[in-house]
Amino acid sequence: SQKIEQNSEALNIQEGKTATLTCNYTNYSPAYLQWYRQDPGRGPVFLLLIRENEKEKRKERLKVTFDTTLKQSLFHITASQPADSATYLCALENTGGFKTIFGAGTRLFVKA
Amino acid sequence: ETGVTQSPTHLIKTRGQQVTLRCSSQSGHNTVSWYQQALGQGPQFIFQYYREEENGRGNFPPRFSGLQFPNYSSELNVNALELDDSALYLCASRPQGREHGYTFGSGTRLTVV
Repeated sequence: SQKIEQNSEALNIQEGKTATLTCNYTNYSPAYLQWYRQDPGRGPVFLLLIRENEKEKRKERLKVTFDTTLKQSLFHITASQPADSATYLCALENTGGFKTIFGAGTRLFVKA
Repeated sequence: ETGVTQSPTHLIKTRGQQVTLRCSSQSGHNTVSWYQQALGQGPQFIFQYYREEENGRGNFPPRFSGLQFPNYSSELNVNALELDDSALYLCASRPQGREHGYTFGSGTRLTVV
């Protein structure tokens, strides 16, 4: 069955460092991969989208890579800040565009 | 932009009852998806509507049904509620075209007792 795996353990890093989060998937051929941020009690907020034929995408302090051979995406936050503390969700959209599935998310804590 | 609005924000129902959750999608967004999120888990895809037609469905039983209206607002209906249906229900919308991420509402917290 289709499966998305994200680091189940929380990631703790020091302010100013780069946070790297991993998303692995199996039994799926996504056309698009998306990353979202979710704060407690709130809905997810869209951050970045990358297509299957793109290797890397950047937006301000955020960088996403997408390796369809490894079936893996890496999400980087450079110069991390305490305000970046949240749960980060990886989402895959199928080729038809009618189904987007989410991973369980990785909790990030950035300490000042 | 008004964003995605969901109502009610919280709801308590008894097992066996029926519930209707409502979603007002962001202006210009014609695609709406519904998700169920249990505590500590990622959102689970229930179904998606595009131009008033269901065009995608996750692994949820038929007692989960929905509607999308001409103004692209949407409803999620759940019949014969079970205790395991207790969760945060999220509505998400996006404009036509797949280069866009989804805009989520803040959700409806449903508790079944």
